[in-house]
Amino acid sequence: AQSVTQPDIHITVSEGASLELRCNYSYGATPYLFWYVQSPGQGLQLLLKYFSGDTLVQGIKGFEAEFKRSQSSFNLRKPSVHWSDAAEYFCAVGPLNNAGNMLTFGGGTRLMVKP
Amino acid sequence: DAGVTQSPTHLIKTRGQQVTLRCSPKSGHDTVSWYQQALGQGPQFIFQYYEEEERQRGNFPDRFSGHQFPNYSSELNVNALLLGDSALYLCASSSLAGGGLGTQYFGPGTRLLVL
Repeated sequence: AQSVTQPDIHITVSEGASLELRCNYSYGATPYLFWYVQSPGQGLQLLLKYFSGDTLVQGIKGFEAEFKRSQSSFNLRKPSVHWSDAAEYFCAVGPLNNAGNMLTFGGGTRLMVKP
Repeated sequence: DAGVTQSPTHLIKTRGQQVTLRCSPKSGHDTVSWYQQALGQGPQFIFQYYEEEERQRGNFPDRFSGHQFPNYSSELNVNALLLGDSALYLCASSSLAGGGLGTQYFGPGTRLLVL
């Protein structure tokens, strides 16, 4: 069965510092990969996605993620964090077939930003 | 262009009652998925509807049922509510028409509290 692990439950960074959130997945083949962000009391907003091709994908709000097949990882990065980036971040995987596109989510990483 | 909308935003029920949650997909989308997000956890897939039929189902009991209408909107019904059903229920829409593997866009959620 597919699974997603986000090893860091909480991360605190200073405003202006760089950020990397880790995501590892377990899947039989290369899945579709996503990062979503959730602000308190809100739904999920898509940051970026990887389907195929270039393994470095750019997203909204200055985020990027790199797919590394050999490490089964899809880590999210941002060069300079803003206070408004404080939120919960979820990595998700989806199947590479047409039977449906259910997503399996990791447990999330809560990002706090220090002024 | 309206995004995914859900109603109600909040709901309080007592154990044993039944509840119906509603979702309207993003314009142009034909597929609706439902997720349950317990406090402090990532969302878990409940089921997905396409062409008014349940296409995929996660590991949820039969107390959870759904429906999709011809206009693609959807309902999630939960019978015999348990305390453990308290959660944020998220609806996501996507487009699978033409065999696409559409990205899922999420609504703001319905927060259900079971007392």
